Amino acid sequence: DAGVIQSPRHEVTEMGQEVTLRCKPISGHNSLFWYRQTMMRGLELLIYFNNNVPIDDSGMPEDRFSAKMPNASFSTLKIQPSEPRDSAVYFCASSSNRGNYGYTFGSGTRLTVV
Amino acid sequence: QKEVEQDPGPLSVPEGAIVSLNCTYSNSAFQYFMWYRQYSRKGPELLMYTYSSGNKEDGRFTAQVDKSSKYISLFIRDSQPSDSATYLCAMSAEHNQGGKLIFGQGTELSVKP
Repeated sequence: DAGVIQSPRHEVTEMGQEVTLRCKPISGHNSLFWYRQTMMRGLELLIYFNNNVPIDDSGMPEDRFSAKMPNASFSTLKIQPSEPRDSAVYFCASSSNRGNYGYTFGSGTRLTVV
Repeated sequence: QKEVEQDPGPLSVPEGAIVSLNCTYSNSAFQYFMWYRQYSRKGPELLMYTYSSGNKEDGRFTAQVDKSSKYISLFIRDSQPSDSATYLCAMSAEHNQGGKLIFGQGTELSVKP
């Protein structure tokens, strides 16, 4: 299996622009998580889905952030409009309700908003 | 107060040393405890998983959970330069894997040859 695939790996954008981050979870995993990592705050859960349904979005910082999971193999995290304080590494992770416990993380998208 | 507290370090040790990494937590509902390792510019990867209190050993790594004290530890024996990474504790109250994990800040470890 190719693991959790995120794109792009790096994104540099200007303040006010729309940013879309993409994630392909591991096939067969039924839960998907979006995390944001910064030096100051560590790993923060933004939102997670079970069976494509959003379960908890309490970590989404503002209405500027939105996430979708139209099917079991794809999810997006969108920021519109972007701000410099959104600069961080965004991770997607997936897990299965069978087998060993734990998430599998993607390699992350490093977002810089200038 | 954060739900999970972890000293961010950095921690620097000589090769061969025993390393002790720790986390405290406030939510008594947490039952599932994990340690993740994160190399620079990579995603975290699961290192150890324990349920409830007790010890678990895997090679040079030992995870301990003390629920009465709300304290978990990861010990690394005979540390190697390849162990240099950030170590994150994580925990969950959920009994299925669809639940959310709460992570500590992460401790940056450097093992010097």
